[in-house]
Amino acid sequence: KQEVTQIPAALSVPEGENLVLNCSFTDSAIYNLQWFRQDPGKGLTSLLLIQSSQREQTSGRLNASLDKSSGRSTLYIAASQPGDSATYLCAVRGRRQNYGQNFVFGPGTRLSVLP
Amino acid sequence: DAGITQSPRYKITETGRQVTLMCHQTWSHSYMFWYRQDLGHGLRLIYYSAAADITDKGEVPDGYVVSRSKTENFPLTLESATRSQTSVYFCASSEMGVASGTEAFFGQGTRLTVV
Repeated sequence: KQEVTQIPAALSVPEGENLVLNCSFTDSAIYNLQWFRQDPGKGLTSLLLIQSSQREQTSGRLNASLDKSSGRSTLYIAASQPGDSATYLCAVRGRRQNYGQNFVFGPGTRLSVLP
Repeated sequence: DAGITQSPRYKITETGRQVTLMCHQTWSHSYMFWYRQDLGHGLRLIYYSAAADITDKGEVPDGYVVSRSKTENFPLTLESATRSQTSVYFCASSEMGVASGTEAFFGQGTRLTVV
């Protein structure tokens, strides 16, 4: 069964810092990995999608890497801003047939960027 | 408008009543999913559907029923609501292309309270 963990569970940084969020998964048989952002009381907003054949994806100040063989992904946020404060979730889509290759989510990292 | 929409956004119901949560997507994605999000458990899959008239159980299906008579709709029914079903429910859709799967898109969620 695929399990996804994220560390740290919570992170508080001053504005302007570069930071790294970590995601680990136990089964490397994946189609892709996706990073989401969730604001309090809101839905999930997709940030980056990395296909299993890719090593990284970039969007603005965000860069996500994927090391499928070691079961790890990192989300790098450059020059953090208070508006980045949210919970960040990673999800992997597995290749195995259980649950129809659905997305398995990590518990999230709650980020606070202080002005 | 293109996208995935859930209704209602908020619902309060009494124990034992039947409740249906609606999900509609405009992309004609083949895959649709229902998740619930609870503190301490993260996002857990309830049911998923790979195509119209094809549905299957996820991790926590007990007490829920789904149907998918049309590709664009995937309603979730709580047959006899219990307090343990108080949660935030998210619907998602995705395609499963030759390129090993694509992005998941989530609705804004339905906050359900069972009293």
